[in-house]
Amino acid sequence: DTGVSQNPRHKITKRGQNVTFRCDPISEHNRLYWYRQTLGQGPEFLTYFQNEAQLEKSRLLSDRFSAERPKGSFSTLEIQRTEQGDSAMYLCASSPGTQGGETQYFGPGTRLLVL
Amino acid sequence: GENVEQHPSTLSVQEGDSAVIKCTYSDSASNYFPWYKQELGKGPQLIIDIRSNVGEKKDQRIAVTLNKTAKHFSLHITETQPEDSAVYFCAALSGGSYIPTFGRGTSLIVHP
Repeated sequence: DTGVSQNPRHKITKRGQNVTFRCDPISEHNRLYWYRQTLGQGPEFLTYFQNEAQLEKSRLLSDRFSAERPKGSFSTLEIQRTEQGDSAMYLCASSPGTQGGETQYFGPGTRLLVL
Repeated sequence: GENVEQHPSTLSVQEGDSAVIKCTYSDSASNYFPWYKQELGKGPQLIIDIRSNVGEKKDQRIAVTLNKTAKHFSLHITETQPEDSAVYFCAALSGGSYIPTFGRGTSLIVHP
């Protein structure tokens, strides 16, 4: 399968714990995006990378959130000191990044529940 | 920034009927409009998109229309089937930006 993959698919954690999610984009896509989605809402942008450079971060991304894409391939999203309000679906998407290649392809998401 | 409004929030139809979902956008510089289908527990999947130099695009039972003057675009699904039941999201992308703004979604229910 050559689509976007995300791991884990589900994560249950206790408040205050740290969690890390991984995203593997479609091969050769140089743009990678992270979104958060809560029930009844569309995806909300968190951050995006072009290759290994993090180019934009949303105000939604508090200092407890950090994302990396060290070699321009897979990416990780870490949430430190989780809070119950962090419970959501975390979606990753990738796009070619070329002229006319702005279409984003989403992974299946990681559903986080903070108890 | 861009603001995308999507209506209705819920749409219930009988199998075989047509379904129409409408979105409006605020930024006249937006030039790319994708539509995504999201099934329960899955990520959004692109079903059709349209660029601002085109007024209509069709793919089998799905079509999208764009009215740049009025700043609205619509998704049309004909001959609906139960497997069309899902949440549909519209989005708008402004030229020079790589971050789309999504609507709040429409839950489509197709009754057999």
